[in-house]
Amino acid sequence: KNEVEQSPQNLTAQEGEFITINCSYSVGISALHWLQQHPGGGIVSLFMLSSGKKKHGRLIATINIQEKHSSLHITASHPRDSAVYICAATYSGGGADGLTFGKGTHLIIQP
Amino acid sequence: DVKVTQSSRYLVKRTGEKVFLECVQDMDHENMFWYRQDPGLGLRLIYFSYDVKMKEKGDIPEGYSVSREKKERFSLILESASTNQTSMYLCASSLSTGWVNTEAFFGQGTRLTVV
Repeated sequence: KNEVEQSPQNLTAQEGEFITINCSYSVGISALHWLQQHPGGGIVSLFMLSSGKKKHGRLIATINIQEKHSSLHITASHPRDSAVYICAATYSGGGADGLTFGKGTHLIIQP
Repeated sequence: DVKVTQSSRYLVKRTGEKVFLECVQDMDHENMFWYRQDPGLGLRLIYFSYDVKMKEKGDIPEGYSVSREKKERFSLILESASTNQTSMYLCASSLSTGWVNTEAFFGQGTRLTVV
């Protein structure tokens, strides 16, 4: 199965800091998703990317197809951003079993 | 505006019990998924369904079965629960099996403990 690597695994930062979470994948993909999971379990889809950059509020997601790399940035971080962030890649030609998940980045923002 | 609902947030069951986890979505999606999530392993696909009465095995189907009798409902069944099935179970639905050009919507998760 194709791999998706996330880094860092854990990240603790102070409120207001600029946060970057990275995701690398191994071969060509159809789509790259960023998900957010708050304590308690529910998962929310943040972004779906196939190229370029997307922005929603203080969150920005970018993807570089040539380098097989995506980043999730959080500007002016806040304690409510504390969550697990997961990237998921849809590999070309893949159905549900073509979706590969990273292991997640556990982010803690301290006041 | 709840879109995907799982029947229980927390469940405690005994070894050997038959366990049913229910998931309902109100978005008329053809595709529904069951994942389990374990520390250090991330999300792993158990089964998915692309239509009523249709199902496909995912990465870890052993010890599980599923049922999709109606479009909005997808059930995960643990035929004989074992302690290694203690986990967080997440249901999702989407317009596309591979989430291509569409996002997925998740339920709130069911934390199952088998004792």
